[in-house]
Amino acid sequence: DAGITQSPRHKVTETGTPVTLRCHQTENHRYMYWYRQDPGHGLRLIHYSYGVKDTDKGEVSDGYSVSRSKTEDFLLTLESATSSQTSVYFCAVAGGDSNQPQHFGDGTRLSIL
Amino acid sequence: AQSVTQLGSHVSVSEGALVLLRCNYSSSVPPYLFWYVQYPNQGLQLLLKYTTGATLVKGINGFEAEFKKSETSFHLTKPSAHMSDAAEYFCAVSRGFKTIFGAGTRLFVKA
Repeated sequence: DAGITQSPRHKVTETGTPVTLRCHQTENHRYMYWYRQDPGHGLRLIHYSYGVKDTDKGEVSDGYSVSRSKTEDFLLTLESATSSQTSVYFCAVAGGDSNQPQHFGDGTRLSIL
Repeated sequence: AQSVTQLGSHVSVSEGALVLLRCNYSSSVPPYLFWYVQYPNQGLQLLLKYTTGATLVKGINGFEAEFKKSETSFHLTKPSAHMSDAAEYFCAVSRGFKTIFGAGTRLFVKA
């Protein structure tokens, strides 16, 4: 158990509303990631962080923003949710001296109607 | 650019039979390669990884994978399937922060 907690675990919301997902880790990992998982696409990187206040875009970052004000928390925000952002979102952290994702949270299932 | 292709979205084996899940990659630089497993309603778990050195990599739960540069492959095997191996498996290629995942292969194990 890498001590990763995602909240909420499930959310249903309407198009145009803002949504924030939270990833909390307890083991002081430097690198954190947000992925979305869609059928037939595997996981795709949205944003990642390499330290407090240090973040960068992944391959599907449009419509998403992130913040990391503390080592343990990495927030993903959908400023104005669209139906195409309906997905399962996973947070991950890198272990040891690696910068590849090795430990994942249990996911947030987000439905946008 | 890096990419990953997993051959077969579904694979079915009998309990006790060999498990073989295929993964081919493309990468312009020496890659790091990974296999992950995902059980229903859970996140991914790292099974094994190849970075450098020995090309046969052993992972958890009796799985292993062999890096074959000439074939650009990193197939996952297990000699004898168990019912608990039923899950979805993802191959991934990575360099730096950018990890590219395959579309996944769902493994079914028949009693």
